[in-house]
Amino acid sequence: ETGVTQSPTHLIKTRGQQVTLRCSSQSGHNTVSWYQQALGQGPQFIFQYYREEENGRGNFPPRFSGLQFPNYSSELNVNALELDDSALYLCASSSGTGENIQYFGAGTRLSVL
Amino acid sequence: KQEVTQIPAALSVPEGENLVLNCSFTDSAIYNLQWFRQDPGKGLTSLLLIQSSQREQTSGRLNASLDKSSGRSTLYIAASQPGDSATYLCAVNGGATNKLIFGTGTLLAVQP
Repeated sequence: ETGVTQSPTHLIKTRGQQVTLRCSSQSGHNTVSWYQQALGQGPQFIFQYYREEENGRGNFPPRFSGLQFPNYSSELNVNALELDDSALYLCASSSGTGENIQYFGAGTRLSVL
Repeated sequence: KQEVTQIPAALSVPEGENLVLNCSFTDSAIYNLQWFRQDPGKGLTSLLLIQSSQREQTSGRLNASLDKSSGRSTLYIAASQPGDSATYLCAVNGGATNKLIFGTGTLLAVQP
């Protein structure tokens, strides 16, 4: 158990819809990173939030957006869903940025039909 | 641009064998390297973290080494068990954002 929880565990959406995924970070952690893992691939970095501000972004379009709340929990929002957005979405929390260990949640499996 | 490669992509061994999984990366300027285990459809479990100043880390039957100059890391699993069957991912942390760059993983099957 890492203390990082994600909801929901599974989600089915249709193309063009919008989705919100949630992540509660481990107690005491102020940084949340989001990753997308397509089937058979390694996770790809989407973005990171540190103390409620975006702190780095990977190669993902603007329809992927996020938010971090004062309690350091976080949301990932994806607009105008495409079939290729089907993946396992993982969040990881850490204490600060830099070289600190990231602890991963169990992920949200998103299927876009 | 940092790239991480894992070889082999898949491995099947009989129970009790010792085995080595390989990870290579193109940019030696890393903060640390981490090995993860992932069971089918599940999240990531951290196995070992090696800081850039370290050469190896050990946890039980697992030993991970790091050679920054050659851009390589290995994960050694001793006396493999069927419960070790999973995908093993390595990831390097090379920047101030603590962004992890992952390989595509090695799918390990340990046959009883």
